[in-house]
Amino acid sequence: AQKVTQAQTEISVVEKEDVTLDCVYETRDTTYYLFWYKQPPSGELVFLIRRNSFDEQNEISGRYSWNFQKSTSSFNFTITASQVVDSAVYFCALSGGANSKLTFGKGITLSVRP
Amino acid sequence: DAMVIQNPRYQVTQFGKPVTLSCSQTLNHNVMYWYQQKSSQAPKLLFHYYDKDFNNEADTPDNFQSRRPNTSFCFLDIRSPGLGDAAMYLCATSRDPLGGYTFGSGTRLTVV
Repeated sequence: AQKVTQAQTEISVVEKEDVTLDCVYETRDTTYYLFWYKQPPSGELVFLIRRNSFDEQNEISGRYSWNFQKSTSSFNFTITASQVVDSAVYFCALSGGANSKLTFGKGITLSVRP
Repeated sequence: DAMVIQNPRYQVTQFGKPVTLSCSQTLNHNVMYWYQQKSSQAPKLLFHYYDKDFNNEADTPDNFQSRRPNTSFCFLDIRSPGLGDAAMYLCATSRDPLGGYTFGSGTRLTVV
């Protein structure tokens, strides 16, 4: 069975602070994908990144960076110099195996205060 | 340009009155999914289609049905909505089960 754990439920920071959102996953599949999605108050799910299980390179995209470590089954997401527009719920998700479905964590509510 | 389109964006229905939510895609993806997301919870998969093959999650209530008449369209039918069915319903597509997922904007269902 697949499982995604986002232990943090709510995080509040002041604008320009760096913030890291944690994600730990469990799977028996050797091939799998990890995702991060952003869900602003409007409700749509915005795709941020997909990482496959064979690529442990960290990735940076502007103020966003991701740290994938198979040894600890973690896929953490860091926002540098946070902005008010980053306020949203962030979901980590996992898919793997044949005929797989996307399993979500419970989400982290990030509030960035001016 | 929206590639996964859900209509309507907001839907109000009466308790017990059948309601249909629609999803269309311009991506020609093989797989289409319906997720239910209740307030402050993670999206929960209801069912998915791989082409015409329908796959129901074990804990999806019988009250929920789905139709996929062609590649582009998928419908979610709620036969007798209860107050507990009020939620955001998200449609998603992917080229294959391990592919990237594209979500629609969702339909927020209110049951009165």
